Amino acid sequence: DQQVKQNSPSLSVQEGRISILNCDYTNSMFDYFLWYKKYPAEGPTFLISISSIKDKNEDGRFTVFLNKSAKHLSLHIVPSQPGDSAVYFCAASASTGNQFYFGTGTSLTVIP
Amino acid sequence: DTEVTQTPKHLVMGMTNKKSLKCEQHMGHRAMYWYKQKAKKPPELMFVYSYEKLSINESVPSRFSPECPNSSLLNLHLHALQPEDSALYLCASSQGAYRAAGNTIYFGEGSWLTVV
Repeated sequence: DQQVKQNSPSLSVQEGRISILNCDYTNSMFDYFLWYKKYPAEGPTFLISISSIKDKNEDGRFTVFLNKSAKHLSLHIVPSQPGDSAVYFCAASASTGNQFYFGTGTSLTVIP
Repeated sequence: DTEVTQTPKHLVMGMTNKKSLKCEQHMGHRAMYWYKQKAKKPPELMFVYSYEKLSINESVPSRFSPECPNSSLLNLHLHALQPEDSALYLCASSQGAYRAAGNTIYFGEGSWLTVV
């Protein structure tokens, strides 16, 4: 039962343009959401998070948007850089539990 | 400092060997995790330790045996593994397991295990 879904396995974007990665979830108890970036054969690196009390959080080139009614979040990267090429995972957790649920990942390629 | 340190980075072992993966964090986190990850797949939860006690075991085969000697250390003992167990094994930690909201989980760089 996949509670967090990333329906786009891959995305290609030109350097300098905006990258938008999407994530959907099904569990209404989730109240904290995170994005991770992963290079091959390395552990995921935390990028940015958002609490359910917010609808937007920004950190430099990275902005996460949360639409609770749609159970949808997105990560915007602008401007995109070749070094952003990696697999991006979204994750969710609920304050009632101690697990983090991961999406299946989106492989982003930024074309120079 | 958001560092989770894992050793070794690479390990090749035979199916009859016994080996261990080690993990260390000094962030004062009280929850530590073992995940398994195959290429282009999400991390798959294996075990969660909360306040040095095993709180979640996701039906992992007994050939994987976790150990939490203290709040900073987490080991994964490996014995009689199968070739399909070859994967990236990730250790992670977070501040507090029972209040997951607002907690961020931080991963180590992983131990790449190959079973031959």
